[in-house]
Amino acid sequence: SQQGEEDPQALSIQEGENATMNCSYKTSINNLQWYRQNSGRGLVHLILIRSNEREKHSGRLRVTLDTSKKSSSLLITASRAADTASYFCATDPPNAGGTSYGKLTFGQGTILTVHP
Amino acid sequence: EAGVAQSPRYKIIEKRQSVAFWCNPISGHATLYWYQQILGQGPKLLIQFQNNGVVDDSQLPKDRFSAERLKGVDSTLKIQPAKLEDSAVYLCASSLPSGGVGAGRETQYFGPGTRLLVL
Repeated sequence: SQQGEEDPQALSIQEGENATMNCSYKTSINNLQWYRQNSGRGLVHLILIRSNEREKHSGRLRVTLDTSKKSSSLLITASRAADTASYFCATDPPNAGGTSYGKLTFGQGTILTVHP
Repeated sequence: EAGVAQSPRYKIIEKRQSVAFWCNPISGHATLYWYQQILGQGPKLLIQFQNNGVVDDSQLPKDRFSAERLKGVDSTLKIQPAKLEDSAVYLCASSLPSGGVGAGRETQYFGPGTRLLVL
């Protein structure tokens, strides 16, 4: 079953604009990850945020995590046509020792289209 | 560094036939995963190996799907017999051992996938 639910399902913007995608989940997590998938290709890891972190940055990416609301958001600033892809959040539950289980549950994804 | 390799890239079969997919993970990655991604959905974990042992296969339809990872490196996923609803992309991923502590252990590296069409 899909744990993460992304919102919106599809997003269309112009180059240079910011894109924000949201993810909600249901059970406790060790970490939450965002992946990108270009059409017909494998997934590429973008960023990971741990359950005790609230915000993380990587280049033009900014991820926030609110464990009380069980939600996360991914912000892509100054978008480019090359950012056109599907974006997935994935939750990684804690194992008995509290570390990563490595058992990712993916959401259904947000399809981002950036027009030149 | 070479990425995760998968073959074949595409496969078309008729229902009730069998099919096998192969995966070679990144060198040194002890953990290997197989995912099924149906069109329009996110990937769903089928099975997770650590070295050559199964960590989790709770979502693997064991009446028709099987997977093995002999010698703890390459892995093969088999479907026998295939059904129409098995049409999907089968993704292989690898990572450093799960359950450990350390940067990068949680990140999974995906191969390009095998696109299966069952007619």
